[in-house]
Amino acid sequence: EDQVTQSPEALRLQEGESSSLNCSYTVSGLRGLFWYRQDPGKGPEFLFTLYSAGEEKEKERLKATLTKKESFLHITAPKPEDSATYLCAVLEGAQKLVFGQGTRLTINP
Amino acid sequence: NAGVTQTPKFRILKIGQSMTLQCTQDMNHNYMYWYRQDPGMGLKLIYYSVGAGITDKGEVPNGYNVSRSTTEDFPLRLELAAPSQTSVYFCASSQISTGTYEQYFGPGTRLTVT
Repeated sequence: EDQVTQSPEALRLQEGESSSLNCSYTVSGLRGLFWYRQDPGKGPEFLFTLYSAGEEKEKERLKATLTKKESFLHITAPKPEDSATYLCAVLEGAQKLVFGQGTRLTINP
Repeated sequence: NAGVTQTPKFRILKIGQSMTLQCTQDMNHNYMYWYRQDPGMGLKLIYYSVGAGITDKGEVPNGYNVSRSTTEDFPLRLELAAPSQTSVYFCASSQISTGTYEQYFGPGTRLTVT
């Protein structure tokens, strides 16, 4: 059974303080790894898909990377508006996403 | 495009009552999904559909039913509501045939069963 573990559960940073969120996975044959952002009271918002080890994707202050066992979401010089819960998921089969429990990120001004 | 829409936004049910959560997407996606999210937990798949008339169980299907008569709509039915079904429910859709697998989510329905 595919498993996804995210760490830390919660992270507080000062504005401008860069850091990384971790997503470890166990899956037989990775077909895709997904990062989503979720604001309080809202649905998850798609950020990135990574398909193979070594792949990287960037969007504004966020960069996602992938190895054979884990993915990192790097946040460079974050701003308060980057505060959210970040969810990681792996694709199981052709259509099912298995989610981690998320990392709650707070950026203090 | 409105994307994925869900109604209602909030609902309180008494134990044993039934209700239908509505989900509509206007992106002509072939796949649709229902998830539940409990506090501090990841999303769990309840049911999914690969097209009109075709549905299948996910990880936590007990206590729920679905149907898909059109491409756009994928309602979730709760029969005999129980306190364990208190959760936030998200509908999602994706277009697998393009070779991409990302799912797009609706805003959610917050359900309380008392």
